[in-house]
Amino acid sequence: GQNIDQPTEMTATEGAIVQINCTYQTSGFNGLFWYQQHAGEAPTFLSYNVLDGLEEKGRFSSFLSRSKGYSYLLLKELQMKDSASYLCAVLDSNYQLIWGAGTKLIIKP
Amino acid sequence: ETGVTQTPRHLVMGMTNKKSLKCEQHLGHNAMYWYKQSAKKPLELMFVYNFKEQTENNSVPSRFSPECPNSSHLFLHLHTLQPEDSALYLCASSQEHSTPGELFFGEGSRLTVL
Repeated sequence: GQNIDQPTEMTATEGAIVQINCTYQTSGFNGLFWYQQHAGEAPTFLSYNVLDGLEEKGRFSSFLSRSKGYSYLLLKELQMKDSASYLCAVLDSNYQLIWGAGTKLIIKP
Repeated sequence: ETGVTQTPRHLVMGMTNKKSLKCEQHLGHNAMYWYKQSAKKPLELMFVYNFKEQTENNSVPSRFSPECPNSSHLFLHLHTLQPEDSALYLCASSQEHSTPGELFFGEGSRLTVL
């Protein structure tokens, strides 16, 4: 079966750095996505990785290793507004999105 | 005006009621989706429409009935639901020639079935 694993919840301190991991086992691979979802709001697209390596976008970076079936989302200089759930999703060989259950990130002052 | 708008935001219904969820996208996209989001579970794809034609129906019970009258509007008709159908129902849209998998979501309709 297809599976995406990510931690259920993480806590970090304002101003610090946090890394949210995602491992996947899917039928084929056509890219990995990270979405951010604030409580009561719509999920919004953060990043897309299809090749190995690090993609940086401001305070957020996303890393992919296809051989290891592994990705992480790195958030730097954490702000209170970064408190949200972070969803990892993989596009499989049929171009279907396979979703993880999400990681709830709690930022403390 | 937000890109994808869903109404109502909250809905409470009994098991014998009939109600509908509405989704409207203002992005000019050609694909629309219904997802079910339950606490601590992955998003579950329910239905996909491309150019108003249904292309996915992921074994969803017949008590959920989608309708796509045009590429901007999507409905989810609900009848004789069960308490386990209580969840957040998310609508999303995408554009065929953009990054595959990049979806634009509405804020969802929170459904409670009593």
